[in-house]
Amino acid sequence: QVQLVQSGAEVKEPGASVKVSCKASGYTFTDYYLHWVRQAPGQGLEWMGWINPNSGGTKSAQKFQGRVTMTRDTSINTAYMDLSRLRSDDTAVYYCARGRSTMNHQADFWGQGTLVTVSS
Amino acid sequence: DIQMTQSPSSLSASVGDRVTITCRASQNIIRYLNWYQKKPGQDPKLLMYAASSLEGGVPSRFSGSGSGTDYTLTISSLQPEDFATYYCQQSFSTPLTFGGGTKVEIK
Repeated sequence: QVQLVQSGAEVKEPGASVKVSCKASGYTFTDYYLHWVRQAPGQGLEWMGWINPNSGGTKSAQKFQGRVTMTRDTSINTAYMDLSRLRSDDTAVYYCARGRSTMNHQADFWGQGTLVTVSS
Repeated sequence: DIQMTQSPSSLSASVGDRVTITCRASQNIIRYLNWYQKKPGQDPKLLMYAASSLEGGVPSRFSGSGSGTDYTLTISSLQPEDFATYYCQQSFSTPLTFGGGTKVEIK
């Protein structure tokens, strides 16, 4: 069965960086995009970007450009999202999600979420 | 960026009620529209894609419709497990923006 398992919760100081991992199993990792979505406390869902695990190509929302780096390691079926220069408003649950098609980009399987807390 | 406006932001309904949630895009998204259900502490669940295609395993009481800029998600007979927050998302162009969400609460 398809599973996305994310790394554990993180507490970071403002200005630091965080790297969240997302390990995929149950399907061919390179056949589907992986999206990153976050939800701040009491807020809605926010799309951050995607990575094409086959090519390594990425696309991120302009809001995060310059701060977010999405990578993958196909040898271990794992994607990573690195967010730098953290601010308090980056406190959120971060999700990875599999995009089933490159037309509708519907996210059919999700990781369990990783809570990132930014606090001094 | 394409702005997605959902209405209402919240609603109260009873089990068995028919519920309709509306999502309006700031430009024509030609049915590139997904719907998700989100419960506290859980990851989002895909309900609908391409505006009206029901995701496998999702009950048939959920339906989607719309075209151009205006889309709706309808729950024909609300069940206890449907109390949650619902989000639309456009997938016409990046960034893949979400609506602000509609919280469905028990009356």
